[in-house]
Amino acid sequence: ILNVEQSPQSLHVQEGDSTNFTCSFPSSNFYALHWYRWETAKSPEALFVMTLNGDEKKKGRISATLNTKEGYSYLYIKGSQPEDSATYLCASRNAGGTSYGKLTFGQGTILTVHP
Amino acid sequence: DVKVTQSSRYLVKRTGEKVFLECVQDMDHENMFWYRQDPGLGLRLIYFSYDVKMKEKGDIPEGYSVSREKKERFSLILESASTNQTSMYLCASSSEPSTDTQYFGPGTRLTVL
Repeated sequence: ILNVEQSPQSLHVQEGDSTNFTCSFPSSNFYALHWYRWETAKSPEALFVMTLNGDEKKKGRISATLNTKEGYSYLYIKGSQPEDSATYLCASRNAGGTSYGKLTFGQGTILTVHP
Repeated sequence: DVKVTQSSRYLVKRTGEKVFLECVQDMDHENMFWYRQDPGLGLRLIYFSYDVKMKEKGDIPEGYSVSREKKERFSLILESASTNQTSMYLCASSSEPSTDTQYFGPGTRLTVL
């Protein structure tokens, strides 16, 4: 089993704070790293897919970076808003074989933004 | 808009009952997945399917089976539900090879009494 770890497990911030959290994954046989946002009572929603070392992706106030050599990705949220409250999941796919797009998920980081 | 639907949002069953969880996607995706989500453990893959009538075990297949008779529909079956199968169940689909982005349904919260 490919181990994907996320930290911290949960995070409480005030509205307007910037925050970041980490996803670590085995760097051997790396193919792609995904970030998802999962709001309460909704479906998990894809944020980013990154494949290349040094990749940076941005969507509004949220951005992500990727280091495939050391096996980690950071997700940053600038100026957090209460609507950013969600569980943030990362997932890794390794290369080769017949994985059929199989992803291995971390345990998630639960973000709560207080007004 | 992509759409993955699951048959129930909430389900309560008794120990020993046979349980069917249905998932339907309207994106013509080849791959479909069943996960369960438990606090502190993230999403764990139960089974996946890469084509009609094809299936592969995920990381925690014990106590579950699946059926994929049509491309758009993937069913998860609990032959004899047990209390340790109380969980949130999520279905997803994706299209190979592309970016492998998975599109999720809203989940079914199953309680086994």
